[in-house]
Amino acid sequence: QKEVEQDPGPLSVPEGAIVSLNCTYSNSAFQYFMWYRQYSRKGPELLMYTYSSGNKEDGRFTAQVDKSSKYISLFIRDSQPSDSATYLCAMSAGGKLTFGQGTILTVHP
Amino acid sequence: DTGVSQDPRHKITKRGQNVTFRCDPISEHNRLYWYRQTLGQGPEFLTYFQNEAQLEKSRLLSDRFSAERPKGSFSTLEIQRTEQGDSAMYLCASSFLAGAYEQYFGPGTRLTVT
Repeated sequence: QKEVEQDPGPLSVPEGAIVSLNCTYSNSAFQYFMWYRQYSRKGPELLMYTYSSGNKEDGRFTAQVDKSSKYISLFIRDSQPSDSATYLCAMSAGGKLTFGQGTILTVHP
Repeated sequence: DTGVSQDPRHKITKRGQNVTFRCDPISEHNRLYWYRQTLGQGPEFLTYFQNEAQLEKSRLLSDRFSAERPKGSFSTLEIQRTEQGDSAMYLCASSFLAGAYEQYFGPGTRLTVT
């Protein structure tokens, strides 16, 4: 079993929809939780990070962490075609990152 | 302000050849990481440096792989006697020591072994 599980999708939504992306994990040592966006054949781009449990909002993006359930989420409000990409969750105990498989998201006009 | 850069961006090589990749981190960052990503998967950790010291290596990093970071600046990743299974995107990232979770990635080097 992988330390971090993420549904690969693909997920297809209409423009303006609210998108929910999720990951579960098994390693209780993880303290930092990140979301990256990756366009095709590019390096991952850091979107947000959260320390421990709680919510964090940045513009149209909201990250949630529930350590008791070992479950993290990323919500995208008012999704745009430019949000079409692969979204990767990543977790860390302080050093290396452990990634999920990535969810492919397509937002169609 | 420049981000993380990697060179080359693409490399095609024949099985059995040696290849070397270079990563230049964000200049103020003292940690540098190497990851490997195959199609449809998330990046997998290979190794990381704090300044010039290599602090951790993954079991994925076989004896054919070696990484260096002389003088704590740029880093090189060498693969000897390449195999078809080495075909992947090799990603470099860097961070501050404090805030090591906040890693910034380069564009990657795409390796194809024929």
